[in-house]
Amino acid sequence: DSGVTQTPKHLITATGQRVTLRCSPRSGDLSVYWYQQSLDQGLQFLIQYYNGEERAKGNILERFSAQQFPDLHSELNLSSLELGDSALYFCASSVQPGEGETQYFGPGTRLLVL
Amino acid sequence: DQQVKQNSPSLSVQEGRISILNCDYTNSMFDYFLWYKKYPAEGPTFLISISSIKDKNEDGRFTVFLNKSAKHLSLHIVPSQPGDSAVYFCAAPGLSGNTPLVFGKGTRLSVIA
Repeated sequence: DSGVTQTPKHLITATGQRVTLRCSPRSGDLSVYWYQQSLDQGLQFLIQYYNGEERAKGNILERFSAQQFPDLHSELNLSSLELGDSALYFCASSVQPGEGETQYFGPGTRLLVL
Repeated sequence: DQQVKQNSPSLSVQEGRISILNCDYTNSMFDYFLWYKKYPAEGPTFLISISSIKDKNEDGRFTVFLNKSAKHLSLHIVPSQPGDSAVYFCAAPGLSGNTPLVFGKGTRLSVIA
């Protein structure tokens, strides 16, 4: 158990809908990262927050947005969902935001868009 | 452009033997590398790391070797156990400023009893 929690574990929805994925980092970790893993793909970095502020942005679509709240939990919002958005979404956290800082991953949310 | 490459999508090894997972990188500025292990339906778990000032780092059955001149690193698991069956990801810090870690696509290790 990494100490990072993600809810829900599974999500099934229809195209065009909007969903929110939630992540609680490990106690004491200030930085949160979101990743997408599609079938046969590696982990694609989406976005990073540090202490409530956006720190780095990767391959995140404009239909997706995220935020980190004062209690350090984070939410990833996916809207106007398409079939291709079906994937595993992982949240990770680390103490500091620095490059190479070891990240600890949550169990993921499996999203299926029908 | 894939900066971290794991060219073997899968590997099968007999229980008790050595598993060697390989990773190549393209950017000589990378100075720190990490290996993650992932079981189905779980998130990746940090396994071991190595700094570029070293050429070897060992933790129990797991050893990572770094060859900077070849831009190559490898993870050795000795002896391999059925519980080691998982997908292994190699990662390095992103240098472009827009990605904290760059991951390879992973190698699926199957340890056969």
